[in-house]
Amino acid sequence: TQLLEQSPQFLSIQEGENLTVYCNSSSVFSSLQWYRQEPGEGPVLLVTVVTGGEVKKLKRLTFQFGDARKDSSLHITAAQPGDTGLYLCAGSSGTYKYIFGTGTRLKVLA
Amino acid sequence: KAGVTQTPRYLIKTRGQQVTLSCSPISGHRSVSWYQQTPGQGLQFLFEYFSETQRNKGNFPGRFSGRQFSNSRSEMNVSTLELGDSALYLCASSLGLVIDTQYFGPGTRLTVL
Repeated sequence: TQLLEQSPQFLSIQEGENLTVYCNSSSVFSSLQWYRQEPGEGPVLLVTVVTGGEVKKLKRLTFQFGDARKDSSLHITAAQPGDTGLYLCAGSSGTYKYIFGTGTRLKVLA
Repeated sequence: KAGVTQTPRYLIKTRGQQVTLSCSPISGHRSVSWYQQTPGQGLQFLFEYFSETQRNKGNFPGRFSGRQFSNSRSEMNVSTLELGDSALYLCASSLGLVIDTQYFGPGTRLTVL
């Protein structure tokens, strides 16, 4: 069974701080996605990474896919209250089926 | 373009009843996936339909079933409801590619009493 463990589970930080969220698995994925979900809404895709070692930047967010395609990280620089939400990673083995991580709930205090 | 629509948004049922949830995907999308989200288990994959055929299935009991119509709209049905079926049910619409962007609806909040 494929599992994606995220850490930390909860994170409460002050505005302006940096943070990193990790997504780890013992399985290899052909692609990995990061989503953010806000209360009362469905998850919204932030990025898709497909190549081992790939790094993608989206404004203050930096995403990295591990060399072995088993893990990923999301780094947020100078966090803002608008970054508050549930961050989810999701891996696919190319079977049109996505396994979601356990989630990291981030709260950024003004 | 219009987003993914799910109806109803909220539902309250009692144990033993059955329920049908509906999902209208983005126009042009042929794939609809269903997920169950609970605080304890997170987001779990139920099944995916592509062009009216179930293409993938998660590890849920047979009480959970679905179908997709020729216009790509999808329904999922849960029979003989249990208390543990209380959850947010999300559907996601996509083109159905191997590496794809899933667009999620707002979900249906099901409460089983």
